This record gives sequence, structure tokens and C-alpha cells, in this order.
Amino acid sequence: QVQLQESGPGLVKPSQTLSLNCTVSGGSISSGAYYWTWIRQHPGKGLEWIGYIYYSGNTYSNPSLKSRLTMSLDTSGNDFSLRLTSVSVADTAVYYCARGSYHKGFDYWGQGILVTVSS
Amino acid sequence: QSVVTQPPSVSGTPGQRVTISCSVSASNIGSKTVNWYQQLPGTAPKLLMYNYSQRPSGVPDRFSGSKSGSSASLAISGLQSEDEADYFCAAWDDSLNGRLVVFGGGTKLTVL
Repeated sequence: QVQLQESGPGLVKPSQTLSLNCTVSGGSISSGAYYWTWIRQHPGKGLEWIGYIYYSGNTYSNPSLKSRLTMSLDTSGNDFSLRLTSVSVADTAVYYCARGSYHKGFDYWGQGILVTVSS
Repeated sequence: QSVVTQPPSVSGTPGQRVTISCSVSASNIGSKTVNWYQQLPGTAPKLLMYNYSQRPSGVPDRFSGSKSGSSASLAISGLQSEDEADYFCAAWDDSLNGRLVVFGGGTKLTVL
């Protein structure tokens, strides 16, 4: 059974960088053609796709976040990470990591981590 | 990038059949795929349907999906109180920027 777990600070100051990690267990991050994905949900709102990193290392991002976003993959640690620079209060959200594929959607999700941007 | 539109809310009584629509703005819906997710209060979303109408293992057959023209639909038959949740559709969009994902705004299902 694949499991994903987000980790990182729950509070970030405006203009700083938000960094999150997603540890994958029960399967190798480098096996299979999966998109290792970040999705966020603003309080009381819908889901927003942030971006994903393919098992090959290629990344694809939401155009609205692309200029501030970096994603990376660590095969030795079996995890992947997100860095979002120059955050503002508008980046306050629950951040989810998930495993996805074009044909089968996002089939495994982390439990989510609330990140608050506040001074 | 596609725009994906869902009704904000639907409701039904136990045992009833309800449908939730998902309109994808695209001239070529055939190049996309749509998934559906169920989010119970306070939990992470759960995959309910992939490739428009395929159910993952463990999803009851009361849930069904379909594609019609430029829209996708999720139907829930034999409505139960535990179906009360938010439902999101997501369209995978092949564009010049790569394979992107767009979520609909979500539909809150209330079981009366």
C-alpha cells in the first residue's frame, strides 16, 4: 500500500520561501510512470493543482505559480519536495502531495499539511 | 488552459439518484481525461472515478461516470447519508506547456 506524508513548517512569514517535503512509502518513487504531485486547498475553497514532477525529473507547473515554484525528486530518500518563493497570505492553504497518472488520476494522497503565511 | 465548471451545490434525499456535471471548456474534449474525487469533511480527497467512467477498486457501483460532448458527469444512485461530501472533477489538459491539470470548483452534495 503506497502512503504519502507531507512535512514542513506550518508557519511561514510573508516574502519568505515555503518548503515542503513528501515522503513516499510502500513503493519506489523512481519506478513506474507516475506524476508526483502537489495540490493545495485554500481554507474553505476548492482544489488547486500546483504542479508535478515526473519520475524522470521533468516538471510541469500551474502557469499561475510557475515563476515562484521549484520541485525536485530525491530517489535515495524516496521523497519529493516543493519550494514556493515570495509567499503571501494568498498562499495560506492545506498542501497535499499525491501520486498521479494520466490514465488513472491521483490515486494516493497524503493527509495534507496546513501552511499559514503570516508575520 | 481549460476552464472546468461544476455546480456549487446539489442535494437529494436518501435512495434518490443525483448527478453532478463537469463542463470542460475545450474544442477537443477527446484529447483530455476527467477524474472525480470525493472529499469528506476534514479529510484528503479520494479518487472516485478515472478516465471518465472507471471506478477504482473499492468504490461502490452506486457511483458511475460518463462523458457527453464537452462535459463529464458523476451519478450517485441509492443516495446515502455518508455520501454527503464535496465532489471535484479534474481535467488533464495536453497543452503547449505540457500535460496540465485543472480542477473544477467543487460541488457540495447535501443529503436531506
